[in-house]
Amino acid sequence: DQQVKQNSPSLSVQEGRISILNCDYTNSMFDYFLWYKKYPAEGPTFLISISSIKDKNEDGRFTVFLNKSAKHLSLHIVPSQPGDSAVYFCAASVSGNQFYFGTGTSLTVIP
Amino acid sequence: GAGVSQTPSNKVTEKGKYVELRCDPISGHTALYWYRQSLGQGPEFLIYFQGTGAADDSGLPNDRFFAVRPEGSVSTLKIQRTERGDSAVYLCASSLMSSGGAGEQFFGPGTRLTVL
Repeated sequence: DQQVKQNSPSLSVQEGRISILNCDYTNSMFDYFLWYKKYPAEGPTFLISISSIKDKNEDGRFTVFLNKSAKHLSLHIVPSQPGDSAVYFCAASVSGNQFYFGTGTSLTVIP
Repeated sequence: GAGVSQTPSNKVTEKGKYVELRCDPISGHTALYWYRQSLGQGPEFLIYFQGTGAADDSGLPNDRFFAVRPEGSVSTLKIQRTERGDSAVYLCASSLMSSGGAGEQFFGPGTRLTVL
């Protein structure tokens, strides 16, 4: 049973525009959410996180939004750059123990 | 280097054999996680260590899988009687966790296990 879902396997965006990656979860006990970026043949790299007490966290070009009532989070990248092309995973946990990952969204930023 | 390292990077074995996968976490990180990632999927949790003890091993698929972290640093994931379905990339991550908190996980590059 997939507790964290990324329903879009791929996304293409023009350079300079906004990329929006979405993630849905089913477990209302999740209190910590993260986004990771992964290049081929490398391990995932942490991007940004948010705890359940907040609804927004911003770090440079990356902003994560959390909608607890909808059990939905999203990652906004603006402006998108070709170097952002990678697979993006969202992950969720209860108090930082077991982390559940989505299946990933492959982002392509077109120059 | 200062990151998480995993050895070997690739392991090819035959069905029924025993394999050991090693993870060297970032120095000082008390939490260590093992994940398995199959093609087209996200990382799937296997086991989590806090110090030397397995705080949560609920993700291990069956008793052929076992992991240890005897001195609270290096960890070894052991798979007995390997099956073709065990073929995947095995990822290790470590984090600096405060009590009751969640820390950013730093991932290693993974070990690609192929069972023929």
